[in-house]
Amino acid sequence: EVQLVESGGDLVQPGGSLRLSCSASAFTFSDAWMHWVRQAPGKGLEWVGRIKRKRDGGTTDYAAPVRGRFTISRDDSENLLFLQMNSLKTEDTAVYYCTTDAYWGQGTLVTVSS
Amino acid sequence: QSALTQPPSASGSPGQSVTISCTGTSSDVGGYNYVSWHQQHPGKAPKVMIYDVNKRPSGVPDRFSGSKSGNTASLTVSGLQADDEAVYYCSSHAGSNALFGGGTTLTVL
Repeated sequence: EVQLVESGGDLVQPGGSLRLSCSASAFTFSDAWMHWVRQAPGKGLEWVGRIKRKRDGGTTDYAAPVRGRFTISRDDSENLLFLQMNSLKTEDTAVYYCTTDAYWGQGTLVTVSS
Repeated sequence: QSALTQPPSASGSPGQSVTISCTGTSSDVGGYNYVSWHQQHPGKAPKVMIYDVNKRPSGVPDRFSGSKSGNTASLTVSGLQADDEAVYYCSSHAGSNALFGGGTTLTVL
C-alpha cells in the first residue's frame, strides 16, 4: 500500500523557520514528481511547489507566495521529500501535504503565531 | 495565474449521476493532459479520484470518471452513494506552476 507520511509540523513564531519531511513507501519514489500542497484553516487547497524526478532534471518550481522563502529537496536513497520553510508569516499557517499524481499524505499542521 | 473555476455546489439523489466542471485556460487545463480530481471529506486528507484527465488510482471505483474538452475538464460520479458527499477539487499542471479549483461541495440528497 502506497504511503506518504509527513512530519515536522509545529508552532513557530513569525520570521522563524521549519523543516517538514515526507516519508514515502510502496512506490518508486525516484520516478515521481513530488509536490507540496497546503490548506489554510477553513480554506481550499493551494499548491506550494514541486520537485521533478532526477531524470527530468530534478528542478523545483514554487508558487508566488512562497518563492524565495521555501525550498523543496529530495533524498531518493531514503525515499524522503523535504520542505524547508524560512521567514515564515502568519498566512503560512496551514496543514501541509505531500502528494504525487495519485496519492496524498495525511498532512502536518504548521502554525505561525506569536 | 488565477485558480481554476468550479461551481461552488452540486447535488444529486442516490443512484443518479452528477457532473462537476472545472474551467481553466489554454495555459493549464487546455494545454496539458494533467488534470486531477481530489475528494475531501470533512477533517480528512484529500484523496485522488482521477489523475491525467481520466485515470483512476487503484481502489477508486469506476463510478468516477473524468474527461476534458478544450479548456474545461469534468468529473462525473455515477450511481451516487451517500459516501460520495464531499468537497471535490480539480487541479491542473500549468507549465512551471500548478493550479487548484476553489472546490465543489457535492451533496447527496
